[in-house]
Amino acid sequence: KAGVTQTPRYLIKTRGQQVTLSCSPISGHRSVSWYQQTPGQGLQFLFEYFSETQRNKGNFPGRFSGRQFSNSRSEMNVSTLELGDSALYLCASRVGLDSVTQYFGPGTRLLVL
Amino acid sequence: GDSVTQMEGPVTLSEEAFLTINCTYTATGYPSLFWYVQYPGEGLQLLLKATKADDKGSNKGFEATYRKETTSFHLEKGPVQVSDSAVYFCALTRGSYIPTFGRGTSLIVHP
Repeated sequence: KAGVTQTPRYLIKTRGQQVTLSCSPISGHRSVSWYQQTPGQGLQFLFEYFSETQRNKGNFPGRFSGRQFSNSRSEMNVSTLELGDSALYLCASRVGLDSVTQYFGPGTRLLVL
Repeated sequence: GDSVTQMEGPVTLSEEAFLTINCTYTATGYPSLFWYVQYPGEGLQLLLKATKADDKGSNKGFEATYRKETTSFHLEKGPVQVSDSAVYFCALTRGSYIPTFGRGTSLIVHP
């Protein structure tokens, strides 16, 4: 079974731009979560989607948003990029909201100049 | 709130040495505990897990035992290889099942 896939793998943007990242979960997994990983803050939870609805949300500003499609694929959008948004963005999927185990994708590395 | 504390890194070992990475947690109830590994330039891979007290998770020669009395989940492996060089994350899930991660411990294994 294919794992979690994320596109693109690398991205360079400038301040003020917006960016959209994509995540395809493992087949049969209906929950998708997003994380930001930076050297200073470690792994921080952004949000989780299940059945096209946001179910959990971390402590990030409204510039960070997401959505999930009927096929469980998810996108994350960051508007008005700041230098501090440079990070590795990780997507994780699990079967459902009562599944304890998450499986992570390879991540999208975003560099904001 | 929930928290996970890992030993500071980097941990530097010679090949064939024995590895222990300490992890302790704070959480009410009975969380599930995980170790994830992150190789350079990659995402997190689930290494092993334990869902109840005294369970031992194991995979690829790595082991960790869920110790409720000491609220610990230390990762062990012996002997280590150069290919084990990576960052290791301890995590717990409880309630909404959104994991709480430790800060990660970098392991460097020299030939």
